[in-house]
Amino acid sequence: AQSVTQLDSHVSVSEGTPVLLRCNYSSSYSPSLFWYVQHPNKGLQLLLKYTSAATLVKGINGFEAEFKKSETSFHLTKPSAHMSDAAEYFCVVSDSGGYNKLIFGAGTRLAVHP
Amino acid sequence: ETGVTQTPRHLVMGMTNKKSLKCEQHLGHNAMYWYKQSAKKPLELMFVYNFKEQTENNSVPSRFSPECPNSSHLFLHLHTLQPEDSALYLCASSQERDGSGANVLTFGAGSRLTVL
Repeated sequence: AQSVTQLDSHVSVSEGTPVLLRCNYSSSYSPSLFWYVQHPNKGLQLLLKYTSAATLVKGINGFEAEFKKSETSFHLTKPSAHMSDAAEYFCVVSDSGGYNKLIFGAGTRLAVHP
Repeated sequence: ETGVTQTPRHLVMGMTNKKSLKCEQHLGHNAMYWYKQSAKKPLELMFVYNFKEQTENNSVPSRFSPECPNSSHLFLHLHTLQPEDSALYLCASSQERDGSGANVLTFGAGSRLTVL
């Protein structure tokens, strides 16, 4: 069975410093992995997805994530945080075939300070 | 706008009321979903409709009743809810098998429900 663990419920960074949001997954299959972002009072928006192509995935707004099978990790990074990055971030795992078998992590709330 | 529109954005109802949440997608997708987002809990999948047919019901209480009249519209009918049902209800849509093997969901902004 698939599962996903976001290792930090809250992360706080200063504007202009790097962002690291950690995600570990468990999957019996070759997984698809996603990061979604949710700004206050908004729905979730796709940041990026991994689907067994390149292990380093680039997404929107300067975010990227690296799939590391040996570590079962899919951490989200950004070189320089912006105030507008403050939001909640969700790591999601999907099995290889199910159109609805998405498992969401509990979320990491990112705060960005001036 | 994401192409998935939910109404109302906010709803307050008593435990004996009957109300409905509406979702409409303008993306030509063939699958639609209801998720429940409660504080400090992961998103919970409630229902999935694929080509208007319900394909998933994650043990949701019968006081929640979904309806999908066509592939663009999805409703969630609410009746005799409990205070613990207060949450953000998110609608999403997707095109099954988008070609990349990944199932990308497009979410609406959600309907914030408060049950008194």
